[in-house]
Amino acid sequence: IALTQSPATLSLSPGERATLSCRASQSVSSYLAWYQQKPGQAPRLLIYDASKRATDIPARFSGSGSGTDFSLTISSLEPEDFAVYYCQQRSNFWTFGQGTKVEIK
Amino acid sequence: EVQLVESGGGLVQPGGSLRLSCAASGFTFRNYEMNWVRQAPGKGLEWVSYISSSGSTIYYADSVKGRFFIFRDNRKNSLYLQMNSLRAEDTAVYYCATDFDWGQGTLVTVSS
Repeated sequence: IALTQSPATLSLSPGERATLSCRASQSVSSYLAWYQQKPGQAPRLLIYDASKRATDIPARFSGSGSGTDFSLTISSLEPEDFAVYYCQQRSNFWTFGQGTKVEIK
Repeated sequence: EVQLVESGGGLVQPGGSLRLSCAASGFTFRNYEMNWVRQAPGKGLEWVSYISSSGSTIYYADSVKGRFFIFRDNRKNSLYLQMNSLRAEDTAVYYCATDFDWGQGTLVTVSS
């Protein structure tokens, strides 16, 4: 199952809303997760089962979607949110999208 | 606190072998499915292999099938990845992961 993320790069200012998209090549039901990765660090789980926040993840992060179309929304960007975000499907083994870089405008 | 600590990475020549280890603590390891994921320098994430909680079910990515072997020792709370016939394109940071937690990774460099 291939995952396509868009856009590749998102240039925004702190306080703005970020919306990231992930499209699957076939249905993954709700078996979709989102990760955040900062340089030199391991990925950190943000969202699993499409919309469930992982432990200690702030409420400004939310996920939605099912089937083939998913989104991650960061309601108001904090300075520490500028990073690369990956979607991951868990319906059939694991695969990852190519990533969306959220950079400071 | 859940901890996953990878070790065993390093520099190896093309065609060589390496065994990675992942020491787990802070959770009941024998109850959890485990995965290896890798990330080449400056690139995205690539799933490598999966093993069920008992070790009876195993899957591999096509890119490593027949060369890499995953196994676990539930008595030692440890996961392993035996990597044979290594190629330059296997150069990456290798992470062990559950559905919720990842280790910090170990770097494997394949170069002459």
